[in-house]
Order: sequence, then C-alpha cells, then structure tokens
Amino acid sequence: TAGITQAPTSQILAAGRSMTLRCTQDMRHNAMYWYRQDLGLGLRLIHYSNTAGTTGKGEVPDGYSVSRANTDDFPLTLASAVPSQTSVYFCASSADSGTRGDTQYFGPGTRLTVL
Amino acid sequence: GQNIDQPTEMTATEGAIVQINCTYQTSGFNGLFWYQQHAGEAPTFLSYNVLDGLEEKGRFSSFLSRSKGYSYLLLKELQMKDSASYLCACMDSNYQLIWGAGTKLIIKP
Repeated sequence: TAGITQAPTSQILAAGRSMTLRCTQDMRHNAMYWYRQDLGLGLRLIHYSNTAGTTGKGEVPDGYSVSRANTDDFPLTLASAVPSQTSVYFCASSADSGTRGDTQYFGPGTRLTVL
Repeated sequence: GQNIDQPTEMTATEGAIVQINCTYQTSGFNGLFWYQQHAGEAPTFLSYNVLDGLEEKGRFSSFLSRSKGYSYLLLKELQMKDSASYLCACMDSNYQLIWGAGTKLIIKP
C-alpha cells in the first residue's frame, strides 16, 4: 500500500508564478490536510477537507487554495507565489476527522523554494 | 491562546533513557499525540493519550496529566536510530491538531 504520495518532491519556483502541489491517498480516508513546516515553528495547518466535496481554512490559508473533487486527491494551489511561501509542505490524511484519537498519516513532503 | 511548549533540543547517550516534556494550553482537549520525524522525512505516529496515566509501547512510553496540562515521552534503551525530532500535538475542541515546534533529540555513542 502506497499510503500518501506527494508530487513533486521538490521545486524551485519564480515569484509570481503559480503552482499546484499534488497529494493522493489510497487509504480511503475521509479527511485530508495540508500543512507547512518551517524551521523553529510547529506544523501549521493551511487548509483541510473533512470529506470529499468540502474544504475549510486552517491557521495560515492566505495565498493558497484547495479542492477536493474526490476522496483520493487533495491538490494545493499557490496562485502567485511569494518568497515567504518557501517551506516544506506536508499532506496528511485521517480516517474520520471529528473523533477523538483520529490519527493523521503524512505524505513524504514537498520542498518548495520561491525565489 | 493555544500554545504547545517543548524543549528545542536534547542530547542523550546510546543505551540510556530520555524524557521529552510537553506542556500545553488549548481551547478544549481531545487528546495528545506524539510523532517522530527523522530529518528530511515525514512525521510518523508514535502514541495517543486522552486519559491520565502512562501508556507503554515497547521502548517508548507516553504520559499525560490533564490537570497539569503536561505530557512526556519516555524513550528507553536509546539507539542511534532514535535520533530525530519528536513532535507533541494536542487535539483541541474542534478536533484540530495544534503542534509544538518539536524537540530535536541527538543520541551520542
């Protein structure tokens, strides 16, 4: 079982360009999440989706958008990248958000550098 | 506000025991998670506590005191492969995870 895959593994992007980070899970989990991880800070939630067809904003949603057309895929789009979006991006999924102990499982991450 | 505190870095010796502390203040509480993250890799789940007390899982144990807003992760018989960051995360009243910045554990031979 692959679990969660993310693409690309890493990317260098010019400021002002757009980019979509891809995330696919094969565990039939209802909930999916996008986090960014920056040195010295905890994981910060960008957007989430409790189930296919719904999305919500996390702690740091500005400059990012998501969609959840089906259960497996949860792409993250940067419409016009800025250098402050340089980070490592992790996608995660969990079986059933809204329940105690619902464990999140993480993809391998995408390292994005915006110049 | 919501806050998770854990030490930035700790050093321990191979074969020894180390305790990584985590204190939290969150709006509501639906449990506390510990994750392990090796450099350049994804976080992986270690443990979940929602009731007070100690949960043991092999060489790793996790403790929770809800009244004190405190947890610790205990690692026994340390191995070099335990060198990693350990992330503490609380599930708040909305079932969202609030993450600490992580504790980098360095194991020396």
